[in-house]
Amino acid sequence: DAMVIQNPRYQVTQFGKPVTLSCSQTLNHNVMYWYQQKSSQAPKLLFHYYDKDFNNEADTPDNFQSRRPNTSFCFLDIRSPGLGDAAMYLCATSRETSGRGGNIQYFGAGTRLSVL
Amino acid sequence: QKEVEQDPGPLSVPEGAIVSLNCTYSNSAFQYFMWYRQYSRKGPELLMYTYSSGNKEDGRFTAQVDKSSKYISLFIRDSQPSDSATYLCAMTRSNDYKLSFGAGTTVTVRA
Repeated sequence: DAMVIQNPRYQVTQFGKPVTLSCSQTLNHNVMYWYQQKSSQAPKLLFHYYDKDFNNEADTPDNFQSRRPNTSFCFLDIRSPGLGDAAMYLCATSRETSGRGGNIQYFGAGTRLSVL
Repeated sequence: QKEVEQDPGPLSVPEGAIVSLNCTYSNSAFQYFMWYRQYSRKGPELLMYTYSSGNKEDGRFTAQVDKSSKYISLFIRDSQPSDSATYLCAMTRSNDYKLSFGAGTTVTVRA
């Protein structure tokens, strides 16, 4: 089945130690998104890639970076994780960013990040 | 005022009952309306999406959109304990990538 796959499912890191989360997709979608979701809150968009074009949300801290080496893979890098960065990180994809149904987003299972 | 309002619940119903969930919104430009189901510690799973106004049915699930009232609903018939989850509504404009989410409603279906 076509899907969005996130690895690892659970990640524990130390305060200030860089961490990378990965996402892959078999949907062949043009757009990949990264969200942060804290307990009992809606997902918060960090940034997205349309093909290789990176689009940062205005309120995303500089501590969060992303790479998309090819259509299938996207990475979230947290350069110096703080205690406040402990959350579920969700990857999503959509075929397009607009158009009839093109901007419907499909999510992966998420990576739960703990910061000690 | 939030762009999308959704009662967080929690909502508890007996097995077999109809679950009724809804969201209201303020932006009349929204054209796509989605419902996601999120189990504890998992990512949101797209249940249904609707374009503009009208109804859409998929098995036990029915989504309704009333753009004149800026109100969307999700009904779950013959609810099962496996339907226990948080349900998120989300919506977007035709020419936009950004989803506006409701806060999510936590539903428990009691066996």
